[in-house]
Amino acid sequence: AQSVTQPDIHITVSEGASLELRCNYSYGATPYLFWYVQSPGQGLQLLLKYFSGDTLVQGIKGFEAEFKRSQSSFNLRKPSVHWSDAAEYFCAVVPLLSNFGNEKLTFGTGTRLTIIP
Amino acid sequence: GAGVSQTPSNKVTEKGKYVELRCDPISGHTALYWYRQSLGQGPEFLIYFQGTGAADDSGLPNDRFFAVRPEGSVSTLKIQRTERGDSAVYLCASSFDGQRSSYEQYFGPGTRLTVT
Repeated sequence: AQSVTQPDIHITVSEGASLELRCNYSYGATPYLFWYVQSPGQGLQLLLKYFSGDTLVQGIKGFEAEFKRSQSSFNLRKPSVHWSDAAEYFCAVVPLLSNFGNEKLTFGTGTRLTIIP
Repeated sequence: GAGVSQTPSNKVTEKGKYVELRCDPISGHTALYWYRQSLGQGPEFLIYFQGTGAADDSGLPNDRFFAVRPEGSVSTLKIQRTERGDSAVYLCASSFDGQRSSYEQYFGPGTRLTVT
């Protein structure tokens, strides 16, 4: 079955430490891949997206993600986290064969990031 | 410019009542999506509009749920005979033209629906 998996429900990281959030997908063909962030009381915000080409994608707020076809993964990374990065992070996909114009997103269950001083 | 807005931000209703949730997309965005986010879960797709028409309503859980977008801008999600299981945050998103070149959906802050 087609799915998006975020294995880590909750991650705690010290401020200034590096971060990696995991995302795996299960689709017949590589879907379009996204990472969104959801802060309390805020709407979902797109951090970055991957369609094709360079497998290392740069996003906003200092985040990057690496697409690895062999592992069906699209992990999100940040070299040094800030207290303001505390939020819920969602990996999402749009299947390659979606009806034209319909870009409905399928989300993982999310990873809650806590930052400790 | 203004982002996607949703009203009300919170709605508490009794089981069996009818509710309407409103979404005001970014001006000029032709594609509009509704998602539902239950506690501890990621958002789940409900319905997609391209212009005035519902191009994909495959995510609506049952016939108690209905959505309209009569003028191709504001959309209303309508839930009849609400049940406690309908309690969730309802998210609306819009995008410029629904074409693959953009793929960026802008989300509203959501409406938190609580059915008592």
